[in-house]
Amino acid sequence: GAVVSQHPSRVICKSGTSVKIECRSLDFQATTMFWYRQFPKQSLMLMATSNEGSKATYEQGVEKDKFLINHASLTLSTLTVTSAHPEDSSFYICRAKTGNKQYFGPGTRLTVT
Amino acid sequence: ELKVEQNPLFLSMQEGKNYTIYCNYSTTSDRLYWYRQDPGKSLESLFVLLSNGAVKQEGRLMASLDTKARLSTLHITAAVHDLSATYFCAVDTYKETSGSRLTFGEGTQLTVNP
Repeated sequence: GAVVSQHPSRVICKSGTSVKIECRSLDFQATTMFWYRQFPKQSLMLMATSNEGSKATYEQGVEKDKFLINHASLTLSTLTVTSAHPEDSSFYICRAKTGNKQYFGPGTRLTVT
Repeated sequence: ELKVEQNPLFLSMQEGKNYTIYCNYSTTSDRLYWYRQDPGKSLESLFVLLSNGAVKQEGRLMASLDTKARLSTLHITAAVHDLSATYFCAVDTYKETSGSRLTFGEGTQLTVNP
């Protein structure tokens, strides 16, 4: 079946540094990729939606200059958390969509110290 | 703005018992998903419900959709410990301006006790 991977699965970084998270669709082309953030014991919150080759659409309250999203190809989207702070520590999950099918990635646990 | 509400948010039940989780949503949608999430893991797709009156069953879980009432249920039959997890419903909506999006409920944390 279709698989979506994320890399890294876990990352610890120091405050002020930047972290890049990759989301890949392994055996299909994802026309749209979505990025979510999930804090402990909470639901998933949509951060942004990206279509291949165009700029991402960010949800209200999500800083586009802090969370840089690139969707350079139909199989890869990246989320870069710039100048990370401890409050950015969270579980980041991507979702890849093609037609009516959609698949979640395994998630990336980011811890900012 | 679409609201998706789950009830209950926390559910502790004994093995062998039955229970239902409810998912209410506030706007028209023809596609609703149920997911399971284990601690530290991503979401596992359980069901996708596409039309009014849709009912799907897999093992001890059965999901239904009433689009007129804007209500979906996830029924658990004869619960076992392995079903302990957090369950989310998510409603798919489409707008010309923003495209398709999934809006999640708050999640129901289910604990099945021996």
